Formats: sequence, C-alpha cells, structure tokens
Amino acid sequence: SQQGEEDPQALSIQEGENATMNCSYKTSINNLQWYRQNSGRGLVHLILIRSNEREKHSGRLRVTLDTSKKSSSLLITASRAADTASYFCAASGGSNYKLTFGKGTLLTVNP
Amino acid sequence: NAGVTQTPKFQVLKTGQSMTLQCAQDMNHNSMYWYRQDPGMGLRLIYYSASEGTTDKGEVPNGYNVSRLNKREFSLRLESAAPSQTSVYFCASSEAPGGEQYFGPGTRLTVT
Repeated sequence: SQQGEEDPQALSIQEGENATMNCSYKTSINNLQWYRQNSGRGLVHLILIRSNEREKHSGRLRVTLDTSKKSSSLLITASRAADTASYFCAASGGSNYKLTFGKGTLLTVNP
Repeated sequence: NAGVTQTPKFQVLKTGQSMTLQCAQDMNHNSMYWYRQDPGMGLRLIYYSASEGTTDKGEVPNGYNVSRLNKREFSLRLESAAPSQTSVYFCASSEAPGGEQYFGPGTRLTVT
C-alpha cells in the first residue's frame, strides 16, 4: 500500500501563526499531493509535488518531500480562520498511479 | 463549467434495496474515481476508470459495481444495500491517472 499517514491528527493554532502538517508513506511514489476538505464538502486539490522535486510553493503553502525518509510536510504560513479544514495527503505510485489517501489532519485556526 | 457533479446529494435506503449514484464531469478528463469516506478512515477507493472503456477495482470494491457510460459519466451501483455501506460517497476525475483530482460535492447515503 502507498498509504499516506498524516501527523498530527488535529492541530489548533491562532490566526497569524504557521501550521505544519506531516505525511509519511510506505513505498516509492510518482508524486504526492495535498488536498483540503471543508466540513461537509468535497476535497480541493492544493498542490502536487513530483518524486524528483524537493520543495514546492504555492501562495502561502510550502510543501517539502524527502523520498529517503518517505515523508512530506505541508506548511501554511500566516494562517487565517478560513484555513480551518481537514488536510489530506495522497500518494500516487505503482504502475496504475492510484492515489492512496491518509486519514487527514484537522486544522482549527482560532480568530 | 460545473466541474464534477453528483446526484443525488442525500439518499436513505432500506437494507436490500438497490440504487445508482450518478457522476458526470465536463472537463474532458480521461480518468474517473469513486471513493467512500467514513469517520476516522479517510478516503478509500472503491473503483476507478483510468480511461473510457476501462474499469478496475480499488481498495473496497465488494458490494459495488460501476459503469463508465462514456467519457463524461461514471456511475456507481449498489445492488443490495447493507448498513455497512452507510457513508459519504465522492466521485472525482483527473486528466490522467495519478494527476490532480477534482472532486464532486458528495452523496450522503444512509442504509437502515
């Protein structure tokens, strides 16, 4: 299984602080993706990092990938109350490129 | 563009009843997916279709069937619903296997 596992399961911070979430996976990957899910909604794609990349930025998001440790991290800088959501990592690998999702980190940003 | 649409949004079934969940995408994507999401379990892949004309089992296919009707539409059928199939079902699509996926709003299914 390519399963991603996020850590921590839940994170509560104050507005303006940075939030860091970690993801570990089990076998080699083609890419690793991060998604956000607001309560009761579908998932929204945030960022994709390929196996040959080490870091990627998108706005206030920074993703790193360490294939030697089979881990990735998502950093959200200067968090806002609107960032409150669940965040999932998903690993894509193997010949069929299926995505395997972790169980998510619930981020709460307090105003 | 509507993106990925799913119908119905909510459904209550009795044990043993059947139903079909509909999914359509208007992004001309090749690949489509069905997931279920249960509390504390994340998303689990039920079936996927890498391209029109192909379907394959995912992690939890038992009790489900799928049809890739055309490039736009991918339906999920429960032939004989069981309480264990109570869940939120998401359809998603991507341009190619392994690419970023676009999700529908979900169908909340309760089986009593």
